[in-house]
Amino acid sequence: EAGVTQFPSHSVIEKGQTVTLRCDPISGHDNLYWYRRVMGKEIKFLLHFVKESKQDESGMPNNRFLAERTGGTYSTLKVQPAELEDSGVYFCASSQDLAPLYNEQFFGPGTRLTVL
Amino acid sequence: GENVEQHPSTLSVQEGDSAVIKCTYSDSASNYFPWYKQELGKGPQLIIDIRSNVGEKKDQRIAVTLNKTAKHFSLHITETQPEDSAVYFCAVGDSNYQLIWGAGTKLIIKP
Repeated sequence: EAGVTQFPSHSVIEKGQTVTLRCDPISGHDNLYWYRRVMGKEIKFLLHFVKESKQDESGMPNNRFLAERTGGTYSTLKVQPAELEDSGVYFCASSQDLAPLYNEQFFGPGTRLTVL
Repeated sequence: GENVEQHPSTLSVQEGDSAVIKCTYSDSASNYFPWYKQELGKGPQLIIDIRSNVGEKKDQRIAVTLNKTAKHFSLHITETQPEDSAVYFCAVGDSNYQLIWGAGTKLIIKP
């Protein structure tokens, strides 16, 4: 069974540009999460989808970040325009539909975003 | 809101020795405490978790202990091996149903 995949693995952009990150969860997982880790700090929750609906987006830093999950399958996270402080590793995770809160979350390898 | 602190940030132990990583949290309503391991180039992977009605849980060489009164929990790895080298994260499932993470511990196993 394929795990969670993320694309791209690395992205280097200049301040003011736009970047779109993609996540493909494990097939059949209704719950999809986005997290971010800034260098050396804790992993921070960004948002949680249940199928195509945003269950909780309280961790989104500001309105420069837009997440979508078309048809409840893959998800994209767009940053527009990117700022220096957006640099970090963006992780996506998915979990099964039953008891989504405390089911194991399966993580992708992350996208390392560098904003110059 | 919940606040999680993890120590140490780096831990170096001799192969075969034990390693202990500790986390404290602030919200007494939190009731789920997972530990994740992140190897180089990969995402975090759940290695063990504990819920608030249990004080200790073991799985082969790893164990987690929970002290709800003191609001801290620890990861114990015995008989460490080179493949245990990784970054370990604790997390807490808080009353808002989010996972709040510690800053991570880089574990180095010396041959």
